[in-house]
Amino acid sequence: GAGVSQSPSNKVTEKGKDVELRCDPISGHTALYWYRQRLGQGLEFLIYFQGNSAPDKSGLPSDRFSAERTGESVSTLTIQRTQQEDSAVYLCASSQGIGQPQHFGDGTRLSIL
Amino acid sequence: QKEVEQNSGPLSVPEGAIASLNCTYSDRVSQSFFWYRQYSGKSPELIMSIYSNGDKEDGRFTAQLNKASQYVSLLIRDSQPSDSATYLCAVNDGNQGGKLIFGQGTELSVKP
Repeated sequence: GAGVSQSPSNKVTEKGKDVELRCDPISGHTALYWYRQRLGQGLEFLIYFQGNSAPDKSGLPSDRFSAERTGESVSTLTIQRTQQEDSAVYLCASSQGIGQPQHFGDGTRLSIL
Repeated sequence: QKEVEQNSGPLSVPEGAIASLNCTYSDRVSQSFFWYRQYSGKSPELIMSIYSNGDKEDGRFTAQLNKASQYVSLLIRDSQPSDSATYLCAVNDGNQGGKLIFGQGTELSVKP
């Protein structure tokens, strides 16, 4: 079946604007994750959703970041009042359950001018 | 702060040789361990998962896990130039099971 789908693939915006990133997980995967990867850096956990449980938001860097997921489908990551340090590739992954292998989408490359 | 440590490399091996990639982790209660391959400008691609002590083989790849030593390794046999990439070790957070903690990655270069 189809893999994890993310949109847009690239986003360029001005500092101070809000952005919304979308992730469509692999069908049947109950867990969905967001990570951030700055240029030349490792992956940084942001948030994960598992079924109808409360999401683990422990990795969100500030209250400008939020994410939602409807059931076991699409998730959106929203960054308000973007700053230049938000420039990174935002990666979404999904898995069949907690502890199972996570499969990544192609990411959204976010550039803040 | 839970950590995953990898040698940054670059690790250079000749074509056909065995490449050995190592990883140590700090969280004693971690249960799931993964190796990802990341080509430049691309997203991570899962190549191995391992959950129990010992070796797990899949084609040219062998993952090794030693929970007592908190050590995970990946061996790539008969290395090919197409294996040239950054290899990421990832370990689940034992207390927040869904969260993966990634190492900084080891850059592998396979020379023809």
